[in-house]
Amino acid sequence: DTEVTQTPKHLVMGMTNKKSLKCEQHMGHRAMYWYKQKAKKPPELMFVYSYEKLSINESVPSRFSPECPNSSLLNLHLHALQPEDSALYLCASSQDMGPNPSYEQYFGPGTRLTVT
Amino acid sequence: SQQGEEDPQALSIQEGENATMNCSYKTSINNLQWYRQNSGRGLVHLILIRSNEREKHSGRLRVTLDTSKKSSSLLITASRAADTASYFCATYTGGFKTIFGAGTRLFVKA
Repeated sequence: DTEVTQTPKHLVMGMTNKKSLKCEQHMGHRAMYWYKQKAKKPPELMFVYSYEKLSINESVPSRFSPECPNSSLLNLHLHALQPEDSALYLCASSQDMGPNPSYEQYFGPGTRLTVT
Repeated sequence: SQQGEEDPQALSIQEGENATMNCSYKTSINNLQWYRQNSGRGLVHLILIRSNEREKHSGRLRVTLDTSKKSSSLLITASRAADTASYFCATYTGGFKTIFGAGTRLFVKA
Protein backbone atom coordinates (compact mmCIF):
# COMPACT_ATOMS: atom_id res chain seq x y z
CA ASP A 1 0.00 0.00 0.00
CA THR A 2 1.73 3.17 -1.22
CA GLU A 3 -1.12 5.50 -0.49
CA VAL A 4 -1.32 8.58 1.65
CA THR A 5 -4.90 9.51 2.48
CA GLN A 6 -6.16 12.92 3.52
CA THR A 7 -9.51 13.98 4.90
CA PRO A 8 -11.55 15.95 4.22
CA LYS A 9 -11.09 16.59 0.49
CA HIS A 10 -12.68 20.02 0.78
CA LEU A 11 -13.23 22.26 3.79
CA VAL A 12 -14.92 25.63 4.11
CA MET A 13 -14.54 27.36 7.45
CA GLY A 14 -15.16 30.73 8.98
CA MET A 15 -12.44 32.76 10.62
CA THR A 16 -13.69 31.86 14.11
CA ASN A 17 -13.99 28.13 13.49
CA LYS A 18 -11.75 25.35 14.73
CA LYS A 19 -11.19 22.45 12.37
CA SER A 20 -8.65 19.69 11.78
CA LEU A 21 -7.09 18.13 8.71
CA LYS A 22 -6.11 14.48 8.89
CA CYS A 23 -3.46 12.46 7.07
CA GLU A 24 -2.73 8.74 7.25
CA GLN A 25 -0.15 6.39 5.75
CA HIS A 26 0.56 2.70 6.28
CA MET A 27 3.89 2.41 4.49
CA GLY A 28 5.91 2.39 7.71
CA HIS A 29 7.34 5.80 6.89
CA ARG A 30 8.73 7.62 9.89
CA ALA A 31 8.80 11.13 8.41
CA MET A 32 5.62 13.05 7.68
CA TYR A 33 5.19 16.51 6.21
CA TRP A 34 2.64 19.29 5.83
CA TYR A 35 2.82 21.60 2.83
CA LYS A 36 0.71 24.58 1.80
CA GLN A 37 0.16 25.25 -1.90
CA LYS A 38 -1.46 28.32 -3.41
CA ALA A 39 -2.81 28.25 -6.96
CA LYS A 40 -0.09 28.04 -9.64
CA LYS A 41 2.63 28.06 -6.98
CA PRO A 42 4.93 25.31 -5.69
CA PRO A 43 4.26 23.56 -2.39
CA GLU A 44 5.74 25.36 0.61
CA LEU A 45 6.99 23.29 3.51
CA MET A 46 5.22 23.98 6.81
CA PHE A 47 6.11 21.19 9.24
CA VAL A 48 8.07 17.95 9.34
CA TYR A 49 7.71 15.17 11.91
CA SER A 50 10.35 12.49 12.31
CA TYR A 51 9.62 9.53 14.57
CA GLU A 52 6.58 11.41 15.90
CA LYS A 53 8.67 14.38 16.99
CA LEU A 54 8.46 17.82 15.38
CA SER A 55 11.65 18.24 13.38
CA ILE A 56 10.95 21.35 11.30
CA ASN A 57 8.59 24.29 11.78
CA GLU A 58 9.04 26.77 8.96
CA SER A 59 7.98 29.76 11.07
CA VAL A 60 4.34 28.89 10.58
CA PRO A 61 1.81 31.09 12.45
CA SER A 62 0.46 29.55 15.64
CA ARG A 63 -3.06 29.40 14.21
CA PHE A 64 -1.75 26.21 12.53
CA SER A 65 -1.00 23.50 15.09
CA PRO A 66 0.41 20.14 13.96
CA GLU A 67 0.07 16.90 15.85
CA CYS A 68 1.48 13.43 15.25
CA PRO A 69 -0.44 10.99 17.50
CA ASN A 70 1.41 7.94 16.14
CA SER A 71 3.67 6.91 13.29
CA SER A 72 0.77 6.55 10.84
CA LEU A 73 -1.23 9.67 11.58
CA LEU A 74 -0.64 13.37 11.16
CA ASN A 75 -3.11 16.10 12.02
CA LEU A 76 -3.18 19.81 11.36
CA HIS A 77 -5.38 21.77 13.74
CA LEU A 78 -6.71 25.06 12.43
CA HIS A 79 -7.98 27.95 14.51
CA ALA A 80 -8.75 31.60 13.77
CA LEU A 81 -7.56 31.36 10.19
CA GLN A 82 -7.47 34.25 7.74
CA PRO A 83 -8.84 34.31 4.18
CA GLU A 84 -5.26 34.32 2.87
CA ASP A 85 -4.81 30.88 4.43
CA SER A 86 -7.11 29.47 1.76
CA ALA A 87 -5.00 26.95 -0.17
CA LEU A 88 -4.43 23.28 -0.95
CA TYR A 89 -2.88 21.57 2.07
CA LEU A 90 -0.78 18.57 1.18
CA CYS A 91 0.46 15.83 3.43
CA ALA A 92 3.44 13.66 2.49
CA SER A 93 5.50 10.90 4.02
CA SER A 94 8.96 9.48 3.42
CA GLN A 95 11.16 6.69 4.68
CA ASP A 96 14.13 8.11 6.49
CA MET A 97 15.92 4.94 7.48
CA GLY A 98 19.01 3.38 5.96
CA PRO A 99 22.52 4.65 5.28
CA ASN A 100 21.57 6.94 2.42
CA PRO A 101 17.91 7.85 2.61
CA SER A 102 16.49 9.51 -0.45
CA TYR A 103 13.60 11.29 1.23
CA GLU A 104 11.45 10.51 -1.79
CA GLN A 105 8.06 11.76 -0.69
CA TYR A 106 4.65 10.20 -1.21
CA PHE A 107 1.91 12.78 -1.32
CA GLY A 108 -1.75 12.63 -0.46
CA PRO A 109 -4.37 14.23 -2.74
CA GLY A 110 -4.65 17.27 -0.50
CA THR A 111 -7.39 19.15 1.33
CA ARG A 112 -8.69 22.23 -0.44
CA LEU A 113 -9.34 24.76 2.30
CA THR A 114 -11.42 27.90 1.88
CA VAL A 115 -11.55 30.41 4.72
CA THR A 116 -14.51 32.80 4.57
CA SER B 1 13.05 31.40 -0.06
CA GLN B 2 12.79 29.41 -3.24
CA GLN B 3 15.71 27.13 -3.98
CA GLY B 4 14.80 25.92 -7.46
CA GLU B 5 13.86 28.11 -10.37
CA GLU B 6 12.44 26.46 -13.44
CA ASP B 7 12.09 27.38 -17.03
CA PRO B 8 10.12 27.56 -19.04
CA GLN B 9 7.17 28.49 -16.84
CA ALA B 10 4.84 26.99 -19.43
CA LEU B 11 5.39 24.71 -22.41
CA SER B 12 2.94 23.64 -25.09
CA ILE B 13 3.89 20.85 -27.51
CA GLN B 14 2.31 18.32 -29.85
CA GLU B 15 1.90 14.70 -28.87
CA GLY B 16 4.99 12.72 -29.88
CA GLU B 17 7.39 15.64 -29.40
CA ASN B 18 10.00 15.81 -26.66
CA ALA B 19 9.62 18.19 -23.71
CA THR B 20 12.59 19.65 -21.88
CA MET B 21 12.34 21.48 -18.58
CA ASN B 22 15.20 23.11 -16.72
CA CYS B 23 15.78 23.79 -13.05
CA SER B 24 18.41 25.93 -11.37
CA TYR B 25 19.16 26.07 -7.67
CA LYS B 26 21.31 28.12 -5.35
CA THR B 27 22.95 26.03 -2.64
CA SER B 28 24.68 22.66 -2.36
CA ILE B 29 22.31 19.72 -2.46
CA ASN B 30 22.22 16.05 -1.42
CA ASN B 31 19.86 15.14 -4.21
CA LEU B 32 17.43 16.64 -6.67
CA GLN B 33 14.02 15.16 -7.39
CA TRP B 34 11.37 15.74 -10.02
CA TYR B 35 7.67 15.54 -9.26
CA ARG B 36 4.54 15.74 -11.40
CA GLN B 37 1.26 17.28 -10.30
CA ASN B 38 -1.97 16.91 -12.17
CA SER B 39 -4.32 19.85 -11.80
CA GLY B 40 -5.05 20.57 -8.13
CA ARG B 41 -4.01 17.14 -6.90
CA GLY B 42 -1.16 15.55 -4.98
CA LEU B 43 2.36 15.31 -6.34
CA VAL B 44 3.81 12.13 -7.76
CA HIS B 45 7.52 11.38 -7.47
CA LEU B 46 9.12 10.78 -10.88
CA ILE B 47 12.84 10.42 -10.45
CA LEU B 48 15.68 11.22 -8.06
CA ILE B 49 19.27 12.04 -8.94
CA ARG B 50 21.95 12.21 -6.30
CA SER B 51 24.59 14.92 -6.20
CA ASN B 52 27.31 12.48 -7.35
CA GLU B 53 25.32 11.38 -10.41
CA ARG B 54 25.24 13.15 -13.75
CA GLU B 55 22.44 11.42 -15.64
CA LYS B 56 19.58 9.08 -14.88
CA HIS B 57 16.90 7.41 -16.95
CA SER B 58 13.49 6.03 -16.09
CA GLY B 59 11.28 4.93 -18.96
CA ARG B 60 10.64 8.00 -21.12
CA LEU B 61 12.31 10.28 -18.58
CA ARG B 62 15.89 11.45 -18.65
CA VAL B 63 17.33 13.68 -15.95
CA THR B 64 20.70 15.37 -15.97
CA LEU B 65 22.43 17.16 -13.13
CA ASP B 66 25.29 19.65 -13.39
CA THR B 67 26.38 20.55 -9.88
CA SER B 68 29.00 23.00 -11.16
CA LYS B 69 26.23 25.04 -12.79
CA LYS B 70 23.69 24.15 -10.10
CA SER B 71 21.20 23.07 -12.71
CA SER B 72 19.18 20.06 -13.79
CA SER B 73 17.04 19.20 -16.76
CA LEU B 74 14.13 16.81 -17.24
CA LEU B 75 13.51 15.42 -20.70
CA ILE B 76 10.27 13.62 -21.49
CA THR B 77 10.51 11.80 -24.80
CA ALA B 78 7.61 10.95 -27.12
CA SER B 79 5.16 12.95 -25.03
CA ARG B 80 1.53 11.92 -24.62
CA ALA B 81 -1.59 13.90 -23.78
CA ALA B 82 -1.53 12.19 -20.38
CA ASP B 83 1.79 13.93 -19.65
CA THR B 84 -0.10 17.23 -19.38
CA ALA B 85 0.67 18.40 -15.83
CA SER B 86 2.86 20.69 -13.78
CA TYR B 87 6.41 19.50 -13.18
CA PHE B 88 8.45 20.59 -10.19
CA CYS B 89 12.06 20.09 -9.30
CA ALA B 90 12.77 19.71 -5.61
CA THR B 91 16.12 20.02 -3.94
CA TYR B 92 16.99 18.18 -0.77
CA THR B 93 19.70 19.84 1.26
CA GLY B 94 19.58 17.71 4.42
CA GLY B 95 17.49 17.37 7.56
CA PHE B 96 14.23 16.62 5.70
CA LYS B 97 14.15 20.04 4.10
CA THR B 98 12.90 19.78 0.52
CA ILE B 99 12.43 22.98 -1.45
CA PHE B 100 10.33 23.00 -4.59
CA GLY B 101 11.00 25.09 -7.66
CA ALA B 102 8.39 27.30 -9.28
CA GLY B 103 7.35 24.57 -11.70
CA THR B 104 6.77 24.18 -15.42
CA ARG B 105 3.24 23.75 -16.72
CA LEU B 106 3.33 21.31 -19.64
CA PHE B 107 0.46 21.03 -22.07
CA VAL B 108 0.59 18.22 -24.63
CA LYS B 109 -1.86 18.61 -27.50
CA ALA B 110 -3.34 15.45 -28.98
